[in-house]
Amino acid sequence: DTGVSQNPRHKITKRGQNVTFRCDPISEHNRLYWYRQTLGQGPEFLTYFQNEAQLEKSRLLSDRFSAERPKGSFSTLEIQRTEQGDSAMYLCASSSSEDSGGAPDTQYFGPGTRLTVL
Amino acid sequence: SQQGEEDPQALSIQEGENATMNCSYKTSINNLQWYRQNSGRGLVHLILIRSNEREKHSGRLRVTLDTSKKSSSLLITASRAADTASYFCAPRGRTDSWGKLQFGAGTQVVVTP
Repeated sequence: DTGVSQNPRHKITKRGQNVTFRCDPISEHNRLYWYRQTLGQGPEFLTYFQNEAQLEKSRLLSDRFSAERPKGSFSTLEIQRTEQGDSAMYLCASSSSEDSGGAPDTQYFGPGTRLTVL
Repeated sequence: SQQGEEDPQALSIQEGENATMNCSYKTSINNLQWYRQNSGRGLVHLILIRSNEREKHSGRLRVTLDTSKKSSSLLITASRAADTASYFCAPRGRTDSWGKLQFGAGTQVVVTP
C-alpha cells in the first residue's frame, strides 16, 4: 500500500492559464474525492467518484473546473482560465466501499497539490 | 448540510499535558470523524464514532459523543511534540450524502517540549 499520491506537489501559474492535477488513489479503492483547502481553513469538498462515475459536485466547482476518472483508477482535476482566487491546496482522497480494515467511511488523503496563481 | 465547528481555534500546551478540543454540529448525525493534519503527514483519519456510541478510545486518543448536546470532544493524553497539528471534526449528517466530508476550520494544537 503506497498511499494516495498526487502530482505535481506544487504548481505556480499565471492568471488565465490552464492547469491539470493528477491523483492516484490506493489501488483497491473504488471511491475518489477532491477537496480544496485555503490557509487557516479546513478542506472543502469539491467532488467525488465511485469507480468512473462522478456522483456529486459541489457548487464550489465552477464551470472552469472539471474532474475525470476515465478508467476508475487515477483522476485528473483541471482548472481552466485560472484566477488568483483558485490559489489553494488541492487534496485528493480515496476510500473503499468494502473497507474491512478500517471504518467504513475512512478516507485516505494524499499530500496535496499546492497551486499558486500569480 | 452538516459541518462541524471546532473549539478552541488554537491550543498551546506542554509535552505531557492533556489536550482537549470540542466539536459542535447542528443536526442529527450518523457518525462523526476526527482527522489530524500536520505538515509532515498531511490529513490523517484518527477515529470514527457512531451516533449510538458514547465513547471511543484509540491509543492516547479518547473521543466522546453527546448527541443530546450535538457535540463531541477529542482528548489527547500525555501529549508529545509530534501531536502538534490541526485537528478537524467531520460530522456526517443522516441526510448527507455518504461521499463528502465537511470540515470546520479546525483546532490548531501546539505542543512545546
